[in-house]
Amino acid sequence: SQTIHQWPATLVQPVGSPLSLECTVEGTSNPNLYWYRQAAGRGLQLLFYSVGIGQISSEVPQNLSASRPQDRQFILSSKKLLLSDSGFYLCAWSVLSRSGNTIYFGEGSWLTVV
Amino acid sequence: GENVEQHPSTLSVQEGDSAVIKCTYSDSASNYFPWYKQELGKRPQLIIDIRSNVGEKKDQRIAVTLNKTAKHFSLHITETQPEDSAVYFCAATPTGFQKLVFGTGTRLLVSP
Repeated sequence: SQTIHQWPATLVQPVGSPLSLECTVEGTSNPNLYWYRQAAGRGLQLLFYSVGIGQISSEVPQNLSASRPQDRQFILSSKKLLLSDSGFYLCAWSVLSRSGNTIYFGEGSWLTVV
Repeated sequence: GENVEQHPSTLSVQEGDSAVIKCTYSDSASNYFPWYKQELGKRPQLIIDIRSNVGEKKDQRIAVTLNKTAKHFSLHITETQPEDSAVYFCAATPTGFQKLVFGTGTRLLVSP
């Protein structure tokens, strides 16, 4: 069965510091990978998605970036965090099929920028 | 592109009552409609989905209905229980598209 791992689960970072969140998927090949952000009490904002190694689509211009160095690895980064970057970050995966594109989320990473 | 609207934003019911959450979508090419439940501090989890070739799907106390002509779909929860309290998200996507478009979420509170 497929599983998704995301880390770290929680982190507190000062403004201006770098960020690296990592996500890996097991049990599937060539998944679509996604990074979502959720501000406190808000909806799901798609930040990036990737359909293959090195292929990244950005949905929202910001100071974040994403990379996919391996088929089942997705990394979210920032060189300098802002207070507004605080939130709940969710990695997700899906495999596109004729019947649909069901997305499965990782457990999430709580980021607090102070 | 697709746009999904979800109502209500907050819904309070008594235990045992039914709850209905409605979503509308704009892209007539959309044909896959999942629903996610997100408990406080946890990840969204798929609870039910429906594809455009059916009008209704049931799974125990939850059901989803789809009206493609009107471009809306609804989540129905019967005999609500306190553990149904959560935020529910609807979503839509056309076949072959890589992205789901999510609604803004409904916070359901079930009071004992």
